[in-house]
Amino acid sequence: EPEVTQTPSHQVTQMGQEVILRCVPISNHLYFYWYRQILGQKVEFLVSFYNNEISEKSEIFDDQFSVERPDGSNFTLKIRSTKLEDSAMYFCASSYRGGEKLFFGSGTQLSVL
Amino acid sequence: SQELEQSPQSLIVQEGKNLTINCTSSKTLYGLYWYKQKYGEGLIFLMMLQKGGEEKSHEKITAKLDEKKQQSSLHITASQPSHAGIYLCGADLYNFNKFYFGSGTKLNVKP
Repeated sequence: EPEVTQTPSHQVTQMGQEVILRCVPISNHLYFYWYRQILGQKVEFLVSFYNNEISEKSEIFDDQFSVERPDGSNFTLKIRSTKLEDSAMYFCASSYRGGEKLFFGSGTQLSVL
Repeated sequence: SQELEQSPQSLIVQEGKNLTINCTSSKTLYGLYWYKQKYGEGLIFLMMLQKGGEEKSHEKITAKLDEKKQQSSLHITASQPSHAGIYLCGADLYNFNKFYFGSGTKLNVKP
């Protein structure tokens, strides 16, 4: 079965640094998502992306966050100036159509020190 | 806010026992999905339900969506240690661009 790939699997960064989390969605999918899960908490929606623009974003997705699909295959999440509370597992997901099953990557564990 | 409520929050069962996890929404569910997450890992798709009254099974796991499409249950028959993990229900509640998850049910199966 096709997979969503996320890199790196773990990232450690200093507070205030910029990080870019990378995802390669399934090649024919059109909808892309980022979710995060703080340790011991629920999986939270961050943003959805379709047709090269943000479709929806949550209140978590503030000006420190941005997403990009730079080259037609990668889908990235950038955090401009990381805070301690950004430490979480970040999941990328994609689907072919809206309302269809989301395929999730295995996540990037971000630790902000 | 808790658009999707799951119960119980955690569950410990003896191997071989049956168990049920529930997911309740305050809104009509356009699609209800069940995922499994192994501790510290990614989300594995289990099943998707779209029609009221629909029931699907895969191996020893059965999921149902009630007629009113506001509640779903996941039933595991003769549980095994491999069933341990966190079970998440997810749904499109408002539109297809924002997919919500419940808070999850942690399942431990004692050998």
